[in-house]
Amino acid sequence: DAKTTQPPSMDCAEGRAANLPCNHSTISGNEYVYWYRQIHSQGPQYIIHGLKNNETNEMASLIITEDRKSSTLILPHATLRDTAVYYCIVRLRRGELSFGAGTTVTVRA
Amino acid sequence: GAVVSQHPSRVICKSGTSVKIECRSLDFQATTMFWYRQFPKQSLMLMATSNEGSKATYEQGVEKDKFLINHASLTLSTLTVTSAHPEDSSFYICSARSPGTYDDGQYFGPGTRLTVT
Repeated sequence: DAKTTQPPSMDCAEGRAANLPCNHSTISGNEYVYWYRQIHSQGPQYIIHGLKNNETNEMASLIITEDRKSSTLILPHATLRDTAVYYCIVRLRRGELSFGAGTTVTVRA
Repeated sequence: GAVVSQHPSRVICKSGTSVKIECRSLDFQATTMFWYRQFPKQSLMLMATSNEGSKATYEQGVEKDKFLINHASLTLSTLTVTSAHPEDSSFYICSARSPGTYDDGQYFGPGTRLTVT
């Protein structure tokens, strides 16, 4: 699976949009981009995934660049409960999930 | 839907004893379950992949005789830490693959905190 690069941490103001970048320059054509998050001492929670088109669900939006070498997870209105470690993972469909260090997002009031 | 539970949520045991952790898919059948370990301030590390009715596949460096995995049914997998030592203290998380949901993705359990004294 392709490796990803994420900033180690970022702060976000409550109520504002949080934009989380992820680089995956070695992604192959059939690998998907997945986002999970892990709130302290809990299991990871699925957020969203995509292949090449932008995706949106009730939690977030995923913007994938045309060359698919990077993506951005957007939390439209961050709340204090969104404070977590966010993991960007690329994998083949039905492939293993390999977790990197992720981005620690702190939402501040 | 697609809920995964783990039991117990926390366990404290003495060095040398064995501990069993259960992972259940509550509302779906999981042909494949995964076991992860997470040390403080570190990311999740995949330990093993188990398919119902067959032997688990362990990641490099994970002792299969120490971490016994049984996936006897489509809704239950167990991880037994045998002869536990303080260095086995960790957060153990399971996940289950639910075919037919969001591109065959994985749902994670809430984790089990193991402390070996």
